[in-house]
Amino acid sequence: KAGVTQTPRYLIKTRGQQVTLSCSPISGHRSVSWYQQTPGQGLQFLFEYFSETQRNKGNFPGRFSGRQFSNSRSEMNVSTLELGDSALYLCASSLLREVTDTQYFGPGTRLTVL
Amino acid sequence: AQSVTQLGSHVSVSEGALVLLRCNYSSSVPPYLFWYVQYPNQGLQLLLKYTSAATLVKGINGFEAEFKKSETSFHLTKPSAHMSDAAEYFCAVSGNSGYSTLTFGKGTMLLVSP
Repeated sequence: KAGVTQTPRYLIKTRGQQVTLSCSPISGHRSVSWYQQTPGQGLQFLFEYFSETQRNKGNFPGRFSGRQFSNSRSEMNVSTLELGDSALYLCASSLLREVTDTQYFGPGTRLTVL
Repeated sequence: AQSVTQLGSHVSVSEGALVLLRCNYSSSVPPYLFWYVQYPNQGLQLLLKYTSAATLVKGINGFEAEFKKSETSFHLTKPSAHMSDAAEYFCAVSGNSGYSTLTFGKGTMLLVSP
């Protein structure tokens, strides 16, 4: 079974631009979560989607948004980019939303904001 | 809210030596705990997880962890380190939202010297 895929793997943007990242979960998985990883803040939860609805959201500004499609694929969007948005963005999928479910991570998209 | 604390941002061992990476949790309810590993420029890979079935959990690549409620700990061990174990290791807990969302520790970088 194919793992979680994320595109693109690398992105370079300038301040003020917007960016869209894509995530394809493992086949059959219905929950998709997004995390931001930075050297200073570590791994922080952004949001989670299940059955095309955002079910849970972390403490990030409204510039960060996302959506999930009927095939469970997900996108996240960051508008009006800031230098501090430079990070590795990780997508994870799980079968359902149970606390015991394992989250499987993709390779990440490394975003650099200049 | 549930949280995990990883003691030591860096741990150095010699090849063949015991690996011990420390993780303590804080939770008012039975926690579900995970250890992930991250190799450079890659996503997170699950090593093992505790979901209350057994206190000693065996994972991939020879790693294991023991859940100790009295010590609120879930330390990761491996009897003999290999050069290929050099990576960053993250302890995580799920269930803060009542679902599978993960809250991560700051991570421990394992350095293995020949």
